[in-house]
Amino acid sequence: GAGVSQSPRYKVAKRGQDVALRCDPISGHVSLFWYQQALGQGPEFLTYFQNEAQLDKSGLPSDRFFAERPEGSVSTLKIQRTQQEDSAVYLCASSLARTDGEAFFGQGTRLTVV
Amino acid sequence: KQEVTQIPAALSVPEGENLVLNCSFTDSAIYNLQWFRQDPGKGLTSLLLIQSSQREQTSGRLNASLDKSSGRSTLYIAASQPGDSATYLCAVGAYYTGANSKLTFGKGITLSVRP
Repeated sequence: GAGVSQSPRYKVAKRGQDVALRCDPISGHVSLFWYQQALGQGPEFLTYFQNEAQLDKSGLPSDRFFAERPEGSVSTLKIQRTQQEDSAVYLCASSLARTDGEAFFGQGTRLTVV
Repeated sequence: KQEVTQIPAALSVPEGENLVLNCSFTDSAIYNLQWFRQDPGKGLTSLLLIQSSQREQTSGRLNASLDKSSGRSTLYIAASQPGDSATYLCAVGAYYTGANSKLTFGKGITLSVRP
């Protein structure tokens, strides 16, 4: 596609529910990043994929967070047993593995846990 | 650990004014630096990307400069317009595997341009 696509755009979950957030990167982009943006803050790194390999998950806040990219294209960020502190905008970015490293972001998924 | 600071948090200017948005970072060993625009409820739009070997980049009314040694970048917006109202985020990229960069963001500067 022309840009990074994320779905759903908005998600309201009851505390304790599991959620799954989807990211479709730009076609041909081997690198995929997930970031979490709390209200009034800048985005913070969660995890990174190069093709299907998850090379860095150091930013995942707890073992309730899990990400996958099984075929090296679409990625899913799953949050189990959601808590109120998980409320945030989840941003996906993709990039080509070329010298300038420019990242292109999707519109984000706004998760509200009630 | 890289820390990125953007001050002030908010700025209001009259239309037509030239303005400078500042960004400072603590670790000068960077791979690149990107400036993004974020409209309310939206994702991030990349404005300018500066490689660590570059001093500045220009796109239309926007000019971004980079001084690695002092840990500073500025985004210059010429002849500001109400449509420029948004939050501007500075992100510093650390070298990462496969010629990618892992970004550390500032909190952003919320700009309001008054007609």
